[in-house]
Amino acid sequence: ETGVTQTPRHLVMGMTNKKSLKCEQHLGHNAMYWYKQSAKKPLELMFVYSLEERVENNSVPSRFSPECPNSSHLFLHLHTLQPEDSALYLCASSQDHRNSPLHFGNGTRLTVT
Amino acid sequence: QKEVEQDPGPLSVPEGAIVSLNCTYSNSAFQYFMWYRQYSRKGPELLMYTYSSGNKEDGRFTAQVDKSSKYISLFIRDSQPSDSATYLCAMSGTSRDGGTSYGKLTFGQGTILTVHP
Repeated sequence: ETGVTQTPRHLVMGMTNKKSLKCEQHLGHNAMYWYKQSAKKPLELMFVYSLEERVENNSVPSRFSPECPNSSHLFLHLHTLQPEDSALYLCASSQDHRNSPLHFGNGTRLTVT
Repeated sequence: QKEVEQDPGPLSVPEGAIVSLNCTYSNSAFQYFMWYRQYSRKGPELLMYTYSSGNKEDGRFTAQVDKSSKYISLFIRDSQPSDSATYLCAMSGTSRDGGTSYGKLTFGQGTILTVHP
């Protein structure tokens, strides 16, 4: 079992829908992250949480809303998305938020129609 | 100029070949260097993690960092078809104001590698 679990694996949603992505880490880490991976582009950092406190919001549109209820769980709430938001959304965790290596989940493949 | 440049390939080699994957970077504050491997429909998996300049070896994999040239490499010896994946370089360090970065890794675009039997 991977240390970082993401659900669902695939999601298709219309532009008016509201959905949530879920991430759970079983590694005892203190920091969690959301990344966006689009074709032919480097991974883009979206949000960073350290000990459940958001420490970075990388100029992400408000239609993406993160939530970190505890150090093991992370959510990404989605509403009124655009087709260009279609991508692989990756959750990661690390021991702390200062240069520790990241451990990624397998991602949620999101398609916005 | 991108902070991290990585040739996207694709790179195709025969089984048993030595593979060299490279990244260049522009930010001299980077001190931590990583290589990730990503199989199709999977998340990136950490392969190598190094601090500052020098070499690190793990089985068939060797990571090299040359901070003076702002250049990092990953070598794969005796490559296998199971090595076929996308390889991502990533790096981090102190922010420009001297503070500690929030683990903000800067990734390369990734190099697609195919090792054929």
